[in-house]
Amino acid sequence: DAMVIQNPRYQVTQFGKPVTLSCSQTLNHNVMYWYQQKSSQAPKLLFHYYDKDFNNEADTPDNFQSRRPNTSFCFLDIRSPGLGDTAMYLCATSRLYQETQYFGPGTRLLVL
Amino acid sequence: DQQVKQNSPSLSVQEGRISILNCDYTNSMFDYFLWYKKYPAEGPTFLISISSIKDKNEDGRFTVFLNKSAKHLSLHIVPSQPGDSAVYFCAAMSNSNSGYALNFGKGTSLLVTP
Repeated sequence: DAMVIQNPRYQVTQFGKPVTLSCSQTLNHNVMYWYQQKSSQAPKLLFHYYDKDFNNEADTPDNFQSRRPNTSFCFLDIRSPGLGDTAMYLCATSRLYQETQYFGPGTRLLVL
Repeated sequence: DQQVKQNSPSLSVQEGRISILNCDYTNSMFDYFLWYKKYPAEGPTFLISISSIKDKNEDGRFTVFLNKSAKHLSLHIVPSQPGDSAVYFCAAMSNSNSGYALNFGKGTSLLVTP
């Protein structure tokens, strides 16, 4: 089945220790997104890629970076995680000019 | 600032009855609206959507109504089933933005009781 896969599903890291979250998709969609969802909050877009064209949301902290080495994979790098970065991180994909986004199961990150 | 609001954090409905989930938005540039359903430990799953040129879209037991003048939309589930118990997110987008960023509400937790 075509899908969006996120690894790991759960990640614990220490304050200030870099962490990388990964997302892969078999849908062959042009656009990939990273959202952050804190407890009891709405998911919030961090950035997205149209193919290799990177688009950062204005209020995404510089601490968050992303890489998309090919169509199928996208990575979220948090260079120096703070306690406030504890959240669910959701990856999503869509076709260009199609509004519906398809989400992966998310990675729950805990920063201690 | 929260541009999409779901003011009811939770809703409980009896099996077989109608569930009505509400959503309000503030940005008049939004022109496409989606509902997602989320089970625990899973990502949001697309449920149904509506374009701003319509006022109703129906898919089986699920119907979404859009009232543009009131900046309000609602999701109706008829009849409700226990398997519908989940968190429902309303989302909105403006096609004038590059990349189609979804603006989400905080979600409404629906519990359908037997």
